[in-house]
Amino acid sequence: DTGVSQDPRHKITKRGQNVTFRCDPISEHNRLYWYRQTLGQGPEFLTYFQNEAQLEKSRLLSDRFSAERPKGSFSTLEIQRTEQGDSAMYLCASEWAGQSSYNEQFFGPGTRLTVL
Amino acid sequence: KNQVEQSPQSLIILEGKNCTLQCNYTVSPFSNLRWYKQDTGRGPVSLTIMTFSENTKSNGRYTATLDADTKQSSLHITASQLSDSASYICVVRSHSGGYQKVTFGTGTKLQVIP
Repeated sequence: DTGVSQDPRHKITKRGQNVTFRCDPISEHNRLYWYRQTLGQGPEFLTYFQNEAQLEKSRLLSDRFSAERPKGSFSTLEIQRTEQGDSAMYLCASEWAGQSSYNEQFFGPGTRLTVL
Repeated sequence: KNQVEQSPQSLIILEGKNCTLQCNYTVSPFSNLRWYKQDTGRGPVSLTIMTFSENTKSNGRYTATLDADTKQSSLHITASQLSDSASYICVVRSHSGGYQKVTFGTGTKLQVIP
């Protein structure tokens, strides 16, 4: 399978614990995005990377959230001291950011986080 | 502020019927508009994409239209099937001077019943 993969697919944790999610993008894609999606809503932008550089972070990304893409390939999203409000689906997407107007983000299956 | 609004919020139709979903946006400057299908518990999958100069695009039973003047798009589904049950998300991209932003709508939840 050469699509975007995410691990784990599901995570249940207790409030106050730290969690880390991983995203493996399509190999030749230079741009990687993280989104959060709650039930009945569209994805909300969290952050994105161009290669290993984190170019933008949403105000939704509090200081408990950190994302890395150390070698410009896979990325991790860590949430420290989880709160019940962090319960959501965390989606990763990747794309090749060229000059075309047809840039397409390819999404992974998501990691569903439940904070008890 | 860039916004994408979709209507209706949810829709139930009988199998075999047609339906049309709406998307209004205020994103500027406009680069492209894409419709995604998202099955429950899965990531979104692209159905169609349109740039400023395109006003209609088809993908099988899905036909998208774009009116860049009124900043409206629609997604028409013909002869619906049970497998069309999903959320349909309108996504608008803006691109200016190397900076780009992707704005998602909240989606229309479609349920096709036998």
